Amino acid sequence: GAVVSQHPSWVICKSGTSVKIECRSLDFQATTMFWYRQFPKQSLMLMATSNEGSKATYEQGVEKDKFLINHASLTLSTLTVTSAHPEDSSFYICSVPRGSQETQYFGPGTRLLVL
Amino acid sequence: QKEVEQDPGPLSVPEGAIVSLNCTYSNSAFQYFMWYRQYSRKGPELLMYTYSSGNKEDGRFTAQVDKSSKYISLFIRDSQPSDSATYLCAMGRGAQKLVFGQGTRLTINP
Repeated sequence: GAVVSQHPSWVICKSGTSVKIECRSLDFQATTMFWYRQFPKQSLMLMATSNEGSKATYEQGVEKDKFLINHASLTLSTLTVTSAHPEDSSFYICSVPRGSQETQYFGPGTRLLVL
Repeated sequence: QKEVEQDPGPLSVPEGAIVSLNCTYSNSAFQYFMWYRQYSRKGPELLMYTYSSGNKEDGRFTAQVDKSSKYISLFIRDSQPSDSATYLCAMGRGAQKLVFGQGTRLTINP
């Protein structure tokens, strides 16, 4: 069964609004979670590393004030896309390290469409 | 030059064929190598995980890593239509961060 869940699975919003995406680790605690973005027919691009109890670490070129990450507990991380614009429309996927922590288990993804 | 290169395809083969998927990489520090399968509009699913060089087999799937050539492969035997998906290679050097290939779109024709 699934070990990582995401909610919502898809969302449509108006330009300028904010959207929150939740990522939950179902079977185990995770001090670290990752957030990726994937455009159509492209690979996964790491956006940020979510750290429980401390600030997220953002990859180069990712605006931390636009993509707010909160690692509220050992099983929950949230990504908030603030003042969303059409170019933010994408597939957002979270992942959780497992076992040796060199492997990652992915959530089912959240498809965001900004009109 | 990208850290990880993967032919995006598309690759189309008949059912029952052996499929070979490959990635090359440039960073010799990579030690962990993975293959993920991603169906359309779904999150990636971990298929194979290999540490350092060597082969690993799981059912119809075989993963090979050749660190001297900086080349990894995934073989699928007796391919099935349900294997039709995008296959992503991924690599890491510890500290959990992974670098992904572009993904190869595979179609198995009945």
